[in-house]
Amino acid sequence: EPEVTQTPSHQVTQMGQEVILRCVPISNHLYFYWYRQILGQKVEFLVSFYNNEISEKSEIFDDQFSVERPDGSNFTLKIRSTKLEDSAMYFCASSGGSLAYEQYFGPGTRLTVT
Amino acid sequence: AQSVTQPDIHITVSEGASLELRCNYSYGATPYLFWYVQSPGQGLQLLLKYFSGDTLVQGIKGFEAEFKRSQSSFNLRKPSVHWSDAAEYFCALASGGSYIPTFGRGTSLIVHP
Repeated sequence: EPEVTQTPSHQVTQMGQEVILRCVPISNHLYFYWYRQILGQKVEFLVSFYNNEISEKSEIFDDQFSVERPDGSNFTLKIRSTKLEDSAMYFCASSGGSLAYEQYFGPGTRLTVT
Repeated sequence: AQSVTQPDIHITVSEGASLELRCNYSYGATPYLFWYVQSPGQGLQLLLKYFSGDTLVQGIKGFEAEFKRSQSSFNLRKPSVHWSDAAEYFCALASGGSYIPTFGRGTSLIVHP
């Protein structure tokens, strides 16, 4: 069964450093998303991506964040200068054209900023 | 604004017992409703969804949920819980025009042998 994959599973970085979180969505999906979950809190939407551009973003997704689909398979989230409060689990998700409401989630990347 | 409330942070049940996880939502029209499960170290897996039609929806792993408009609820049920059901369960809502779900805080299910 096709699945969304994410790498790395755990990333530790120092405050102020740049990190790139990587995702490989399901191959025939058209919509791509990033979410985050701070420990003990709700899953929060960050950004959605469709047709090679951002379609929606939340207020969390400020200028420190960017997304890219550098090739036909990868979907990345970059945080330019990490802050302590960026420590969270980051989930990538994707969904298809006719079933855009059914999102398939990856296993997540745990980001720890020290 | 739309919101999802899961009033129970933790639920403990014995294996073989029945289960009901509560979810209440706030939204002006008929929402799209989902239940996701997150096992330790795993991503969120879609258990079931409600878009329209029959208000009792069946999902994977023996779960079902009932949409009750009058109570603004979408509670998840399972008649007999297995130890492998121990996980975090999230209720979510999406509204027409946006594919972005709003998640509840989650309910942690603990299963005793």
